[in-house]
Amino acid sequence: DAGVIQSPRHEVTEMGQEVTLRCKPISGHDYLFWYRQTMMRGLELLIYFNNNVPIDDSGMPEDRFSAKMPNASFSTLKIQPSEPRDSAVYFCATGGPVYGYTFGSGTRLTVV
Amino acid sequence: AQTVTQSQPEMSVQEAETVTLSCTYDTSESDYYLFWYKQPPSRQMILVIRQEAYKQQNATENRFSVNFQKAAKSFSLKISDSQLGDAAMYFCAYRGSARQLTFGSGTQLTVLP
Repeated sequence: DAGVIQSPRHEVTEMGQEVTLRCKPISGHDYLFWYRQTMMRGLELLIYFNNNVPIDDSGMPEDRFSAKMPNASFSTLKIQPSEPRDSAVYFCATGGPVYGYTFGSGTRLTVV
Repeated sequence: AQTVTQSQPEMSVQEAETVTLSCTYDTSESDYYLFWYKQPPSRQMILVIRQEAYKQQNATENRFSVNFQKAAKSFSLKISDSQLGDAAMYFCAYRGSARQLTFGSGTQLTVLP
C-alpha cells in the first residue's frame, strides 16, 4: 500500500495564479479530508468527503477555494486566484469510520 | 463545538527518561475517539496511538501509552525510554460523530542526548 499520495510536494506560485493540489487516497477508504496547517492557526479542516460526496465545507476560507472528488481514487483542491496568505502546508487524509486517519506527506504552498 | 487544548507548547526530556504530554478536550458526546499524532521535521503526520472512549482500558503501543480520564476529559501521552527519534511535534486530536479530526495546538518535544 503506497499510502495517501499528494502532489506536488512543493509549489511556488505568483499571486493571482491558479493552484491545484492533488490527492490519491488509500483504496477502500471512504472518507477524505483536506487540512491546512499554518503557524498561526495550526491544523484546520477545510472540507471532507464521504463516498466522494462533500459533507462539510464550512472550513473553506472563501470562494477562491474549491475541492472536488470525481471518483474514489482522486481529489483536488483548487485555489483561484491565489494570495500570499494562502501560503501553508496542505494535507490530505483518508480513512474509514473506525480507525485513525492516514495523512499524505502534504504540499507546501508558497504564494509570492 | 469540540475543542482540544494542549497547554504545553514545549517539553524536553533526557534520552531514556519518561515524559508525559497533556491534553484536555471539551465535548458533550459520549461516544468518540482520541488520537495522538507525531509530526517530525519531515512534516509527515504519523498516528501514534488511538483510544476509544467506550473502553476503560488505557491504550498502549510499545513505549507509548495513554492515561485516559473520561470524566475529567483528559488524555495524556506517556513516552517511556525516550529516544532521539521521538523528537517531534505531538498533536492530540478528537473525533466524534462528525468524522473530522479536531486538533490541539501541539507540543514540541525535544529529546536531549
